[in-house]
Amino acid sequence: SAVISQKPSRDICQRGTSLTIQCQVDSQVTMMFWYRQQPGQSLTLIATANQGSEATYESGFVIDKFPISRPNLTFSTLTVSNMSPEDSSIYLCSVMTVNTGELFFGEGSRLTVL
Amino acid sequence: QKEVEQNSGPLSVPEGAIASLNCTYSDRGSQSFFWYRQYSGKSPELIMFIYSNGDKEDGRFTAQLNKASQYVSLLIRDSQPSDSATYLCAVSRGGADGLTFGKGTHLIIQP
Repeated sequence: SAVISQKPSRDICQRGTSLTIQCQVDSQVTMMFWYRQQPGQSLTLIATANQGSEATYESGFVIDKFPISRPNLTFSTLTVSNMSPEDSSIYLCSVMTVNTGELFFGEGSRLTVL
Repeated sequence: QKEVEQNSGPLSVPEGAIASLNCTYSDRGSQSFFWYRQYSGKSPELIMFIYSNGDKEDGRFTAQLNKASQYVSLLIRDSQPSDSATYLCAVSRGGADGLTFGKGTHLIIQP
């Protein structure tokens, strides 16, 4: 499986600010996804990060709120914009091995918005 | 709307017994099925995946799939206290689709 590094691992942010989370993979992967896990909840897919083009967002998530970049096959960023306390969550970068469909997760970024 | 349903628990099982975790899904187009284990404060860890009807065994873990009933299960034999965690069921249509997760079952193995 790929080694996935995320940073920051945690942060405390003020309402109205934005934070960018970085995800680095140690090998070239085709599929990268961003998930959110709110307190006590399961994982919700935010978007598929597409290399060199706009991300594909799931219902309920929009580019203005969660802009995503993926300049190459090993790196992606997720920005949480104009944060509110409702955005307090763990954000997880994940990669998929296309031949088996297995999905692997980074350690996550725990955001607390005050 | 793709839905994955799991009993949230907690499910309490004595050490050494078999823990049985169940999952149902709504999307008949689902092709791939996964079980993840998540310890508190940690990210999910893939335990097993299964694509075909029937059983798939890996060590103490057995995944069972019944596509006609839209049902997936995970059996953990000889349960250990270290198996105490939340177990997430996830399904996918395959290809480039992301996974849809259930809310997870909290499993407690009692020493």
